[in-house]
Amino acid sequence: GENVEQHPSTLSVQEGDSAVIKCTYSDSASNYFPWYKQELGKRPQLIIDIRSNVGEKKDQRIAVTLNKTAKHFSLHITETQPEDSAVYFCAASIGGADGLTFGKGTHLIIQP
Amino acid sequence: ETGVTQSPTHLIKTRGQQVTLRCSSQSGHNTVSWYQQALGQGPQFIFQYYREEENGRGNFPPRFSGLQFPNYSSELNVNALELDDSALYLCASTTGGFQETQYFGPGTRLLVL
Repeated sequence: GENVEQHPSTLSVQEGDSAVIKCTYSDSASNYFPWYKQELGKRPQLIIDIRSNVGEKKDQRIAVTLNKTAKHFSLHITETQPEDSAVYFCAASIGGADGLTFGKGTHLIIQP
Repeated sequence: ETGVTQSPTHLIKTRGQQVTLRCSSQSGHNTVSWYQQALGQGPQFIFQYYREEENGRGNFPPRFSGLQFPNYSSELNVNALELDDSALYLCASTTGGFQETQYFGPGTRLLVL
């Protein structure tokens, strides 16, 4: 089945700087890649997603890039703010009824 | 908020017992998935229900079972609880298929003693 690796496990950046989180996936049939933000004690919330027919997608300070050949995708957060502190999960899916396969998460810490 | 609700919020059980967790999907969402999230880990796919039938399953044993009802509410049942079943259980609903955005509920935190 699908395997998703996520790095780094912890990322500390200064407020205002950019943060990049990277994921690789194993199944070349995967075609949907969402990113979730999970604050302590709360539900995962979708922040952005990308499909395999698109190489890049942006939403204000957040962007995701996908390299299908290398089977990796990345989350970019610019101008980080204290409220960006959370655990971020990447996920991949081949569609149908196989579910989302999640990475192990990145704890993003925004230093004031 | 996503419109997906779960009950109860917390639950304590002892090893060997059975538990039922409930989820109420967002209106119009006919597909519900259940995930197990152990502490410090990403969610793991348990199974998916579409129009009241299980149509996808992750690497979980048969003692994990579910039901989906016509009103789009659903249940996760776990028999013969083990200590390792302690986790946050999340349901997620969507209008259909995994190409659509999945909306997660707040989860039920289960502790097995």
